[in-house]
Parts: sequence; C-alpha cells; structure tokens
Amino acid sequence: DAKTTQPNSMESNEEEPVHLPCNHSTISGTDYIHWYRQLPSQGPEYVIHGLTSNVNNRMASLAIAEDRKSSTLILHRATLRDAAVYYCILRDRSGAGSYQLTFGKGTKLSVIP
Amino acid sequence: DADVTQTPRNRITKTGKRIMLECSQTKGHDRMYWYRQDPGLGLRLIYYSFDVKDINKGEISDGYSVSRQAQAKFSLSLESAIPNQTALYFCATSRLSTDTQYFGPGTRLTVL
Repeated sequence: DAKTTQPNSMESNEEEPVHLPCNHSTISGTDYIHWYRQLPSQGPEYVIHGLTSNVNNRMASLAIAEDRKSSTLILHRATLRDAAVYYCILRDRSGAGSYQLTFGKGTKLSVIP
Repeated sequence: DADVTQTPRNRITKTGKRIMLECSQTKGHDRMYWYRQDPGLGLRLIYYSFDVKDINKGEISDGYSVSRQAQAKFSLSLESAIPNQTALYFCATSRLSTDTQYFGPGTRLTVL
C-alpha cells in the first residue's frame, strides 16, 4: 500500500474543531483513504473512509483534495474522549496485495479542557 | 457491548513457555486477524483467516501459529515464547465485502 505522512502530534481545545491532515502523494486510483483512531489502552477503532468525494458520518468528516494527494479528518467539536492517536491508512481495493492495515505512527491528538 | 473479545487481557510468562491467546467474535464476520503492536510503533499483521479452512501468514508469522476453531474463534499460539515477543496483541474481524476492521481490546503479553 502507498505511504502516508501525518504530523506526530496536535493539540486542540475542547469543543473546538480539529483538522487532522494526511499527505499521500503516491496514492493510486484504486486506493481508499481510511482513518482509524486508537484511544489509550484500547484497540484501534474505525472512524471513516472515502475514495474521491468528501464523506460525513456521526463521528467525523473526511475532506479529500481534488488531486487525492492529501486528505483531512475533521472532528467538528473535539471532546476529551477524542484524545487518541489517529491513523491515516491507504487500502488498495483492486484485489492485489495483502489484507493488512498498515498503521504508521499516526498523529497523537491532545484535547485541552 | 464487546463484539470482539480477547482472553487473557494480561499475561506474564517465562521464556520457552507455550502461550495461547484467544479471540472470539459475535459479529458474524468471516475474516479474522492477529496483529501485534510494539511501543511507539504501528500494528503489524501476524496471521489472517478468511474462513475456517483458510489461514494465511502475515508480515511477521515466524514464532507464531494460529487455529481457526470456528467462524467465531481464532487463537494465536506462541510455541516457545521469547522476550522480544513482549507486545500488545490485537485480534480484529471484518466482513468479506469490506475492508473495515473491528478490533478487540488487546492482550498485553510480557515474556520474561
């Protein structure tokens, strides 16, 4: 799977929006963009995914650049429970490759009360 | 409610012992996975299974074996534990038709 680049850490104030960036300049046409998060002492949790269009769900929004070389996970109103490590992962849906989710180091989000 | 459960949650063992970590799921998913996570690093795939008769090696299968006893159960064994297998182990599941994986709470294994 293609590589992603994320900032090591970010901070946000509680109840403010958070924009978590991800660069994936080598993304291929069949790569979906997935976001997972891992709260302290828990297993990773699926957040959202998309291919080309922006996506919204109850947890977050995903904004995908027109050239698909970057994306942004948007938490509309950060809460203390959103403090976690956020992983941006590319998944090839063409059928080739392994079924591993390749977790990089992610972005550690701290939420300040 | 815990759809993916792992037992034990914590285990301390000695070098050379055989250890089994168990994973059960009530999600009805076909696919199951075992990952390990080392401090400050991402998860790495050990084994995965698409159904009871299908087992595949992942990125780091050496020193590990698995058993898919039923659709809902997937066990990971360390034949002869060594200290560098000290890590957090996660089980995950997914449907056949989607990549979204659902993770268990993890097992913290320490090999002395």
